[in-house]
Amino acid sequence: NAGVMQNPRHLVRRRGQEARLRCSPMKGHSHVYWYRQLPEEGLKFMVYLQKENIIDESGMPKERFSAEFPKEGPSILRIQQVVRGDSAAYFCASSPRTGVGYEQYFGPGTRLTVT
Amino acid sequence: DQQVKQNSPSLSVQEGRISILNCDYTNSMFDYFLWYKKYPAEGPTFLISISSIKDKNEDGRFTVFLNKSAKHLSLHIVPSQPGDSAVYFCAARYTGTASKLTFGTGTRLQVTL
Repeated sequence: NAGVMQNPRHLVRRRGQEARLRCSPMKGHSHVYWYRQLPEEGLKFMVYLQKENIIDESGMPKERFSAEFPKEGPSILRIQQVVRGDSAAYFCASSPRTGVGYEQYFGPGTRLTVT
Repeated sequence: DQQVKQNSPSLSVQEGRISILNCDYTNSMFDYFLWYKKYPAEGPTFLISISSIKDKNEDGRFTVFLNKSAKHLSLHIVPSQPGDSAVYFCAARYTGTASKLTFGTGTRLQVTL
């Protein structure tokens, strides 16, 4: 059973470009979470999605960031007009459902560098 | 506002001895706590968890203790092995947040020979 897949693993963008990060959850998992880790910091929650629905986006910056989890295909985190401060590791996690005992399993992350 | 705190950025322990990693939290609404382990260039790996209705949970070499009155939890690793060298993150959540996790800043554990 393959784990959570993220691609690309490394992404370099110039300021002003768009970044698209993809996440394929584990088989049978319909809940997806995105977290961001800035250098020397812990992971910070960004958004929680189920298929075709955004459940909680309380951690998403108000502008330039969006996320989706379509009926078919991976979840996408999209960052428009990237700035240097967006440089970070972005982790996706998935779970089969929420609640005690249903832990989140993380992918290897996408390291975004904005030049 | 750092609701989950890991005040020790690093810890060095000899192989075979006990490693104790500490975590404090401020939000009394948290009712479920987790520890994750992270190697460089990899995602966090779930280790062990504990519900707020318990004060101890054990899984092999890993034991987590929860002191609700002190809002403190700790992870004990006995015996420590070189492969345990990694960054350990404490995380917490509460029922009302649909399972989003709040993480501490991590403690880097180095197990020496």
